[in-house]
This record gives sequence, C-alpha cells and structure tokens, in this order.
Amino acid sequence: GESVGLHLPTLSVQEGDNSIINCAYSNSASDYFIWYKQESGKGPQFIIDIRSNMDKRQGQRVTVLLNKTVKHLSLQIAATQPGDSAVYFCAENSLATDKLIFGTGTRLQVFP
Amino acid sequence: DGGITQSPKYLFRKEGQNVTLSCEQNLNHDAMYWYRQDPGQGLRLIYYSQIVNDFQKGDIAEGYSVSREKKESFPLTVTSAQKNPTAFYLCASSIGRGENTIYFGEGSWLTVV
Repeated sequence: GESVGLHLPTLSVQEGDNSIINCAYSNSASDYFIWYKQESGKGPQFIIDIRSNMDKRQGQRVTVLLNKTVKHLSLQIAATQPGDSAVYFCAENSLATDKLIFGTGTRLQVFP
Repeated sequence: DGGITQSPKYLFRKEGQNVTLSCEQNLNHDAMYWYRQDPGQGLRLIYYSQIVNDFQKGDIAEGYSVSREKKESFPLTVTSAQKNPTAFYLCASSIGRGENTIYFGEGSWLTVV
C-alpha cells in the first residue's frame, strides 16, 4: 500500500544507538500526551503516555520527557533495533477541549 | 483476541459511488472514532461517537456519514460528495472521551479509480 509518510522528517540511526524523537505541541492547556508508532501500511500502536503533572515517564526501552515551559515532548528509544523503524506520532489532549490533536510524525530509519 | 477490526483492507471505488468501511471492536469501549490519513500529514478526525445512537462531526466530516447502532460497530460511508476520497482510513476506540488512550485498527486503503 502507499506510504502515509512520504514527506516526513526523517531520523536515521545506527542499530544499537539511542534515538530521540522530538515533538512540539500547540496547546498550552494540553494535559495528556501520547506517543504512537506506525509501521508501513498499519494502524498506529500505542507506545507510552504521560500526563501534564509529570515530566518523565519510562517504559520498556522508551522514555518520554515533557517540558511544559517550551511545549516540547520527546521520545527516547534506547538501543534502537531494526524493528523500531516506523513513523512516530505524538498526540496531545486537553480536558478543556476534549480533542486529541496529532502531530505530523517523524520517520525513524534504523541501519545495521 | 481483543481489538479493533477494520474491513476491507483495500477498496477501490469508482467516481460517483458510495462505499462503506466497516469497523468493529470487542474492547467494550464507549467511544469510537474515524480518522483520515494522507501522505505527509497527521491524522484528521472525521467523526466520533461517545455512545450508541450518538455521533459528532470532526474536523473534516463533509462527504462522510456514520452510524452507531451498536456499541461494537461504527461504519463509515464515504459518499460521492467527498471530492478527494483516496486515503488511508483509520478507525479507533477508547474507553471514553478525554484523558483516555485511543487504540487504532489496522486501517483501510480507499482508492478512487
């Protein structure tokens, strides 16, 4: 099927290195954030989430950092593997607007 | 297995025809959503439904219609009024609206020929 990420910013990393994917969100009132991973031709998969009362949350090989001062969200992937190659989306939600807003995504390419 | 099932995976439509994309979930989620995804763009919300027999327009509802007769099902009809329907369509669900994680199906590719 046609790729949904033809013109996305791309991050290229070597297998085993750490990856950092960044996201600038738009609404200072957003209080819930999610990272999704989307492989080619598939639906987005939930990776990790974080609420606005936190600035860091860790999962298995992934860490999400939230900087509310500059409205910045990042996803860190430790020891990046070929299976991590995908498009990564951040999403923000606000209880005030009750609307989930998605970023445009970043393509992660992992080289052996 | 629990999850969200979309069908068909690939669909071709002639101009002027309506087509319906199926979405079924067995997660017992109250809220369901339809998103459209175009190359190089983020997901855009078409319609969402918080409860049975109720649904709301999203950001790009023109040319689309939905129904929510059952909690498990939220079909999307792409009508002939949709001028540029070729896209990847994603169905999703969540426990409810608000601070709840949205889970996605595997998507349906619609191509107008």
